[in-house]
Amino acid sequence: NAGVTQTPKFQVLKTGQSMTLQCAQDMNHEYMSWYRQDPGMGLRLIHYSVGAGITDQGEVPNGYNVSRSTTEDFPLRLLSAAPSQTSVYFCASQWASNQPQHFGDGTRLSIL
Amino acid sequence: LAKTTQPISMDSYEGQEVNITCSHNNIATNDYITWYQQFPSQGPRFIIQGYKTKVTNEVASLFIPADRKSSTLSLPRVSLSDTAVYYCLVVRVNQGGKLIFGQGTELSVKP
Repeated sequence: NAGVTQTPKFQVLKTGQSMTLQCAQDMNHEYMSWYRQDPGMGLRLIHYSVGAGITDQGEVPNGYNVSRSTTEDFPLRLLSAAPSQTSVYFCASQWASNQPQHFGDGTRLSIL
Repeated sequence: LAKTTQPISMDSYEGQEVNITCSHNNIATNDYITWYQQFPSQGPRFIIQGYKTKVTNEVASLFIPADRKSSTLSLPRVSLSDTAVYYCLVVRVNQGGKLIFGQGTELSVKP
């Protein structure tokens, strides 16, 4: 069981470039979420999904798109990267809404 | 969405019991209270979750009074490896279990 796998672990982009952060889980969890964490701060929810084909916005959705075509995968897309999106991005999954979330190891993204 | 209030930082010594109290005044009837631990450069890790009264597992206890407007995480006999940030969160079960993180409590355990 790999749990929640995020790729890549590190990435440097130039302003205006696009990129997709990958997240995959092998626990057959229905619920998946994306967060960003800035230095010295708690995590902030970007988007989440309660099942394949269903997504919704979190606290800070602007500049990010998501889709959920399969239970296992929940990619996060930056269409036109901005320096303000420099952050550490965490993906999480959970079996049900009242169950603990399992987090990946994060993707460290720098935008120049 | 429910934000919680907890101390920004706490210091302790090895072997002591540490209690971190969290305030969640606007908790709703169906909400759960959950605590996560985060080490530098890692994702948060689930510690414990409860609805009311007391919950205990192999690493911590969670005390929730009858009005559920606060909760206390108790870590028995902490060690240096317990140095981390601890987050108290309210789980909105009726909103897909979304978690809204506050700033957390930075616990520093000294020898």
